[in-house]
Amino acid sequence: DADVTQTPRNRITKTGKRIMLECSQTKGHDRMYWYRQDPGLGLRLIYYSFDVKDINKGEISDGYSVSRQAQAKFSLSLESAIPNQTALYFCATSADGRGSGYTFGSGTRLTVV
Amino acid sequence: QKEVEQNSGPLSVPEGAIASLNCTYSDRGSQSFFWYRQYSGKSPELIMFIYSNGDKEDGRFTAQLNKASQYVSLLIRDSQPSDSATYLCAVSNQGGKLIFGQGTELSVKP
Repeated sequence: DADVTQTPRNRITKTGKRIMLECSQTKGHDRMYWYRQDPGLGLRLIYYSFDVKDINKGEISDGYSVSRQAQAKFSLSLESAIPNQTALYFCATSADGRGSGYTFGSGTRLTVV
Repeated sequence: QKEVEQNSGPLSVPEGAIASLNCTYSDRGSQSFFWYRQYSGKSPELIMFIYSNGDKEDGRFTAQLNKASQYVSLLIRDSQPSDSATYLCAVSNQGGKLIFGQGTELSVKP
């Protein structure tokens, strides 16, 4: 089994719909992150959490929300999806503050039509 | 100015040549530096990390860090077609988050 599992792998949704992307990990890491990737823009941080009670906005949090249900689970929600949220979304985990060894999930390809 | 900048490429090199990938960063307080390789449609995978000024070698890969110039590079010796991918430079700031560059696409021609 993968260390960091994202579900779903692919999703097509309609504008205005609420959608949740889920991430679970077996690494035992406290730190978890959500990034989105768009062509030519690299990976941009949406939200991050350093422990269960800690949630922080990243550089592009507008239109998104997150929930850290447990150490192992970190979900990303789009309350009302819009077409420019079409992107590849990655969840990642890390063990410490040096940013060492980010482990990425396989990604969720989201299309908003 | 972007926090982490890379040439987007594509960078094309012949098989067996040295590929040189470059990255600059703006935060002088940055502590850790990473190179990830990403194949199309796949997740990034860590190939090198470096914390101190100088060179760090791992097989065909060498990471170079110059904190005074705020510059980090990745050299790939004896490039192979399987090295064709996008290479992402990432920098860890004092808060422990990774900031990524936009990536450089590398194409190794047989």
